[in-house]
Amino acid sequence: QITLKESGPALVKSTQTLTLTCTFSGFSLTTYGVGVGWIRQPPGKALEWLALIYWDDDKRYRPSLKNRLTIAKDTSKNEVVLTMTKMDPVDTATYYCARPGTGTGAFDIWGQGTLVTVSS
Amino acid sequence: SYDLTQPPSVSVSPGQTASIICSGEIVDNKHASWYQQRPGQSPVLVIYQDTKRPSGIPERFSGSSSGNTATLTISGTQAMDEADYYCQAWATTTDVIFGGGTKLTVL
Repeated sequence: QITLKESGPALVKSTQTLTLTCTFSGFSLTTYGVGVGWIRQPPGKALEWLALIYWDDDKRYRPSLKNRLTIAKDTSKNEVVLTMTKMDPVDTATYYCARPGTGTGAFDIWGQGTLVTVSS
Repeated sequence: SYDLTQPPSVSVSPGQTASIICSGEIVDNKHASWYQQRPGQSPVLVIYQDTKRPSGIPERFSGSSSGNTATLTISGTQAMDEADYYCQAWATTTDVIFGGGTKLTVL
């Protein structure tokens, strides 16, 4: 069974750095073609893709947030970490990690999400 | 930058067919995926590669694509299908992109 679960602070202050961890099971980030991504959703708004990391350490970022985002993997712990600097109240959202299916282009498994609130 | 456009809302009567359209330049040469998101829940993949249905997704969900438009169709819509639906595709310069979402109301 494939699962992903997000963890991190529920509340951060404006200008601080957010660090979120995605802990997964049922697959390995050392397997060819496998990746893990982060997607967020502000309250009442649409999904917004943030970043992706692949088995070969290829990293992709949302262009408008590229300067604030860093994604990294720890294959020994089955974890993917996302850091976002200079947090602002507009970054208040539920943050999801999800696995893109190999070769399908679709996120077939999602975590439960974690709500992060940014206070001013 | 690329964009995927969806209608904000679609209404359908129980048992009828609902169609949700996703349009944009990106759709023309990249496969579209569709997600269902019920209130308070994580998104669930219902269609990938324009027309394929993951295991466990009811047959009443189908997808199609033509030109710059991808369409999610729900046949024999049920009350449980009331949710937000998002299309998603891949772009050369922006990688992953989502549509703005469509709220499906089953009246």
